[in-house]
Amino acid sequence: GESVGLHLPTLSVQEGDNSIINCAYSNSASDYFIWYKQESGKGPQFIIDIRSNMDKRQGQRVTVLLNKTVKHLSLQIAATQPGDSAVYFCAAYTSGTYKYIFGTGTRLKVLA
Amino acid sequence: DAGVIQSPRHEVTEMGQEVTLRCKPISGHNSLFWYRQTMMRGLELLIYFNNNVPIDDSGMPEDRFSAKMPNASFSTLKIQPSEPRDSAVYFCASRPTSGELFFGEGSRLTVL
Repeated sequence: GESVGLHLPTLSVQEGDNSIINCAYSNSASDYFIWYKQESGKGPQFIIDIRSNMDKRQGQRVTVLLNKTVKHLSLQIAATQPGDSAVYFCAAYTSGTYKYIFGTGTRLKVLA
Repeated sequence: DAGVIQSPRHEVTEMGQEVTLRCKPISGHNSLFWYRQTMMRGLELLIYFNNNVPIDDSGMPEDRFSAKMPNASFSTLKIQPSEPRDSAVYFCASRPTSGELFFGEGSRLTVL
């Protein structure tokens, strides 16, 4: 079946450094991708999204890169801050369906 | 907008008891999703409603689980009878016609 995987379960970075969280998806028909941030005891919060007709999208301190050839996307966080500590999920969605396939999550730890 | 509102935030009950979780989606959103989150399985889709109609309930674990959406502003997820293995965080999410999901804060269920 469809799956979305993450390359690392935990990522530790120094405060101020850049973070890169990776995600692989299996369905080549997926055409919309979302990154969510989930803090302890809270629901997932939208960070940034990208459609398959793009390969890069930037937000405030965050950038998502999409490589459809290898079915891979990444989330880059610039100048990581303590408030960025959370679990990050990617989700893959296929238009015409209603299913968001979520990855298992990467826990980002920001070291002071 | 208040966002997706779930209640209760925490529920502790004994095996065999009935549990009802409630969700108020964001006004104007016509799709509603119930997810279950556990450490072992991550986010699992339980059921999806579109315009108050259940479209896919294949993710509902078994007949002990049921969900209703009597109107556009309210949905319930019921477990009867509850079992310890039902312990998880249950999320409700809504979205407009397309785009990202908006999650509630979740209901943490513990079945003893």
